[in-house]
Amino acid sequence: GESVGLHLPTLSVQEGDNSIINCAYSNSASDYFIWYKQESGKGPQFIIDIRSNMDKRQGQRVTVLLNKTVKHLSLQIAATQPGDSAVYFCAENIDTGFQKLVFGTGTRLLVSP
Amino acid sequence: DVKVTQSSRYLVKRTGEKVFLECVQDMDHENMFWYRQDPGLGLRLIYFSYDVKMKEKGDIPEGYSVSREKKERFSLILESASTNQTSMYLCASSRTGIREQYFGPGTRLTVT
Repeated sequence: GESVGLHLPTLSVQEGDNSIINCAYSNSASDYFIWYKQESGKGPQFIIDIRSNMDKRQGQRVTVLLNKTVKHLSLQIAATQPGDSAVYFCAENIDTGFQKLVFGTGTRLLVSP
Repeated sequence: DVKVTQSSRYLVKRTGEKVFLECVQDMDHENMFWYRQDPGLGLRLIYFSYDVKMKEKGDIPEGYSVSREKKERFSLILESASTNQTSMYLCASSRTGIREQYFGPGTRLTVT
């Protein structure tokens, strides 16, 4: 899961395995939650989002699960490939008069062939 | 494809210098954002803009200012660079809303 601090959590998996990346969020009032992927040397890229009134959403090879009771979000990647190796960030929207995203600290996914 | 470009990939500046980081998007997006990214801290919002000549402070605006004179361009200014501003700076844009932001490749700034 994600944590505040200098050390980036790392998940190491074998190619073909399913990966689960976890995130704890803080704001109960968030309307939606988003996952971003950041490959080495690139900016983050939007993967998938989920509205707060949903508990599951599926995309291509990815599924996001939302558990509002424990404020937990997860990203499941099916049949993980080496190209999935990246840092994954969860984000939640915050409304302080203007909408903005607050990002988690990230989890590094390493996929071995 | 949406393209967000940043003026430099790497930049080295001295303490006290005025630094300009430029960001340009080519998809007529309304919203633009500046973040800094530090190891283990994720992305933190510095400033954002929802329209030309409009700007709002993010979570860590101290020591920074911004300018948006044209819709496609959003500049981040470090008035007097300090060593604690050494970081990766990321610019992003979005058409409407804030969920799906398109990021540039980042500028790694080192202040010595």
